[in-house]
Amino acid sequence: NAGVMQNPRHLVRRRGQEARLRCSPMKGHSHVYWYRQLPEEGLKFMVYLQKENIIDESGMPKERFSAEFPKEGPSILRIQQVVRGDSAAYFCASSLGYEQYFGPGTRLTVT
Amino acid sequence: GENVEQHPSTLSVQEGDSAVIKCTYSDSASNYFPWYKQELGKRPQLIIDIRSNVGEKKDQRIAVTLNKTAKHFSLHITETQPEDSAVYFCAATRGEYGNKLVFGAGTILRVKS
Repeated sequence: NAGVMQNPRHLVRRRGQEARLRCSPMKGHSHVYWYRQLPEEGLKFMVYLQKENIIDESGMPKERFSAEFPKEGPSILRIQQVVRGDSAAYFCASSLGYEQYFGPGTRLTVT
Repeated sequence: GENVEQHPSTLSVQEGDSAVIKCTYSDSASNYFPWYKQELGKRPQLIIDIRSNVGEKKDQRIAVTLNKTAKHFSLHITETQPEDSAVYFCAATRGEYGNKLVFGAGTILRVKS
């Protein structure tokens, strides 16, 4: 049973470019969460999605960030016009009930 | 909203000793409390969790206790081993579906052999 998958694992973008991070939940899981981890800090909730619906985006920055979880395919976190402060590890997690299982993360570096 | 505080921020123990990490939460409606272990450069890994209708849960060398009245919960690791060295995060959430995990700031555990 494959776990949560994320790609790419590492992503380098120049300031002003777009970053697209992908997450495939565990088989059978319909809930996807995105968290951000700044260097040497804890995890901060960004957004919670179900298929074709954003349920809670209270942790998303108001501008430049968006997320989707289409009927087919992975969940995508999109960051437009990246800035240096966006450099972080972005983790997604999936769940069926209480337990959330994390993917390996995408480490975004903005140069 | 929920706020989770975690102590200590770093903890060094001798191999074979016990380690205890404590967390407090602010939202009395929180009812699920997981603990995650994160090794350097790796994903957070769920190691144990507890729900609000239970006071204690044990899994081999690790245990978690919950005091709902005081709104705090603790992770206990006995007979520590070098491979227990990692960052440990506590978290809290209100419900089963659609509720974000609010994490503590983390504890760096170092087990010296």
